[in-house]
Amino acid sequence: AQSVTQLGSHVSVSEGALVLLRCNYSSSVPPYLFWYVQYPNQGLQLLLKYTTGATLVKGINGFEAEFKKSETSFHLTKPSAHMSDAAEYFCAVSEETGANNLFFGTGTRLTVIP
Amino acid sequence: GAVVSQHPSWVICKSGTSVKIECRSLDFQATTMFWYRQFPKQSLMLMATSNEGSKATYEQGVEKDKFLINHASLTLSTLTVTSAHPEDSSFYICSARRASIYGYTFGSGTRLTVV
Repeated sequence: AQSVTQLGSHVSVSEGALVLLRCNYSSSVPPYLFWYVQYPNQGLQLLLKYTTGATLVKGINGFEAEFKKSETSFHLTKPSAHMSDAAEYFCAVSEETGANNLFFGTGTRLTVIP
Repeated sequence: GAVVSQHPSWVICKSGTSVKIECRSLDFQATTMFWYRQFPKQSLMLMATSNEGSKATYEQGVEKDKFLINHASLTLSTLTVTSAHPEDSSFYICSARRASIYGYTFGSGTRLTVV
């Protein structure tokens, strides 16, 4: 069974500061890992995903995440926050094989302070 | 590419009526579609998984007679909320998975308000 834990339901950073959103997962099989962003009253947009290969994954809008198997983590980072990054971020996991649905974390609301 | 259109984006209906939400994959064939429900400031809760041409698989606690899902083609799935009540008010989001590429594309969501 899979599960996702996102530490911190709310994160506030100053514009230009480092963004770090934490995600830990549990999975009995090799996981596929995803980060999604959701703006108010909208669906989810994929930021990046890890399936196999390089553990440092680069996504859109300057975000990246590193898969650390030993720590069962997939934290999302961005070197310099922009006002437009303010949104809800969801980490999700699915199985590598025979997979169907995604299991989502509870989300982290990112606020960017001018 | 990989666009999923969800319609309507918002709907208000009277208690006791039924509402249909459509989810279309515009430029790819979706072997599997998922329906999620999201309560305010909460995460997405999977309601059901549907494969084209077969019955949907509902998650535990989701009333299949209330939330009717039809996946008649590889590009269209519908969710019908039957005899809607105020507690059904929520944000519903669909997602489509492609066969050849391991990825999920989400619709823009439907805000349902039952009055």
